[in-house]
Amino acid sequence: EAQVTQNPRYLITVTGKKLTVTCSQNMNHEYMSWYRQDPGLGLRQIYYSMNVEVTDKGDVPEGYKVSRKEKRNFPLILESPSPNQTSLYFCASSFGAPGYEQYFGPGTRLTVT
Amino acid sequence: TQLLEQSPQFLSIQEGENLTVYCNSSSVFSSLQWYRQEPGEGPVLLVTVVTGGEVKKLKRLTFQFGDARKDSSLHITAAQPGDTGLYLCAGINQAGTALIFGKGTTLSVSS
Repeated sequence: EAQVTQNPRYLITVTGKKLTVTCSQNMNHEYMSWYRQDPGLGLRQIYYSMNVEVTDKGDVPEGYKVSRKEKRNFPLILESPSPNQTSLYFCASSFGAPGYEQYFGPGTRLTVT
Repeated sequence: TQLLEQSPQFLSIQEGENLTVYCNSSSVFSSLQWYRQEPGEGPVLLVTVVTGGEVKKLKRLTFQFGDARKDSSLHITAAQPGDTGLYLCAGINQAGTALIFGKGTTLSVSS
């Protein structure tokens, strides 16, 4: 089954404790991205990757890091999480540039206390 | 800055009613996509409109792309409880690197 998987689905952590949210797709997609979804603000892009070893900032990259060492994986790293990073996070992938259908993962709900 | 504004923000209707959701911008988009998101899940693509003036139908859902490619609408005929969800429009930014999303319309259809 074609899918994007994210882990964990739910995470409660404390300020400053490094964490990684994993994202993996099995569709051989070249384009992957991370979004955060907040009430009243909608979906905002954090980082994206056009292909392996090619990543770039989206609209809200502060406090986040990503890497794309393999085509299928695109982890999101929070080196020192803060409460304002409490949000619902989605990983997405597509065959090519964003004009193609985006396949979204199920989401990771992160709470930073 | 490219923005997509959706209206209304919330819509609560009875089963069988018709409704229209709007997605407007001052910018021209090469295409617009519509997604539906259900609670606890990621958005799922419903349709992509590419040509100005284009109309696409998906069962009871009708999507229209404005002639100037600055706006789009989603019309649902005879809404059903299964249509409940968050409807999002999205367009590609000018750099071609990301999708810009509207803030969404939350639809609730009660039986």
